[in-house]
Amino acid sequence: EDKVVQSPLSLVVHEGDTVTLNCSYEVTNFRSLLWYKQEKKAPTFLFMLTSSGIEKKSGRLSSILDKKELFSILNITATQTGDSAVYLCAVGGGAQKLVFGQGTRLTINP
Amino acid sequence: DGGITQSPKYLFRKEGQNVTLSCEQNLNHDAMYWYRQDPGQGLRLIYYSQIVNDFQKGDIAEGYSVSREKKESFPLTVTSAQKNPTAFYLCASSMWGARTEAFFGQGTRLTVV
Repeated sequence: EDKVVQSPLSLVVHEGDTVTLNCSYEVTNFRSLLWYKQEKKAPTFLFMLTSSGIEKKSGRLSSILDKKELFSILNITATQTGDSAVYLCAVGGGAQKLVFGQGTRLTINP
Repeated sequence: DGGITQSPKYLFRKEGQNVTLSCEQNLNHDAMYWYRQDPGQGLRLIYYSQIVNDFQKGDIAEGYSVSREKKESFPLTVTSAQKNPTAFYLCASSMWGARTEAFFGQGTRLTVV
């Protein structure tokens, strides 16, 4: 059975800190790994990773994939209160199936 | 505007009733998905469809049914067989091929009263 596991499940830090969120997976016929941010309702897309070792970057957020060790990390530097959200990792595998992890609830305190 | 529309946003159901959640997309996407999200949890896959008139069960399909008669539409029926239907339901769609992002609707919050 395909599985995506995120850690930690919950994280509370102060504004300005740097955080690292983890995502490990066991998926048949891996094709892509995606990161989403969910604040209120609909998750919004952050990154899609398909190749090992190539960092994707957008402002203070960055992510990298290790296909040998089957994991990805999402880094957020100089965190702001607006970064508070649930961060979801999803993996696209065989049969067009997109499997999500449990999410990491990130809280940034001023 | 292109996007995914879910309706209604809030839905109340009495025990023993079937209800249908609507999901429509005008992105010309081939694949569509239904997920369930419980408080403090991630997204669990209920059903997904790759093409019209075809769909597959996800991890928690029991008590749910779907249809895909049109490319744009993928309604989800929550039947009375679903023992704990109170949850937040998200619909998503993507282009064919797993190397594309999925776009989400705004969700439907279903409450059994």
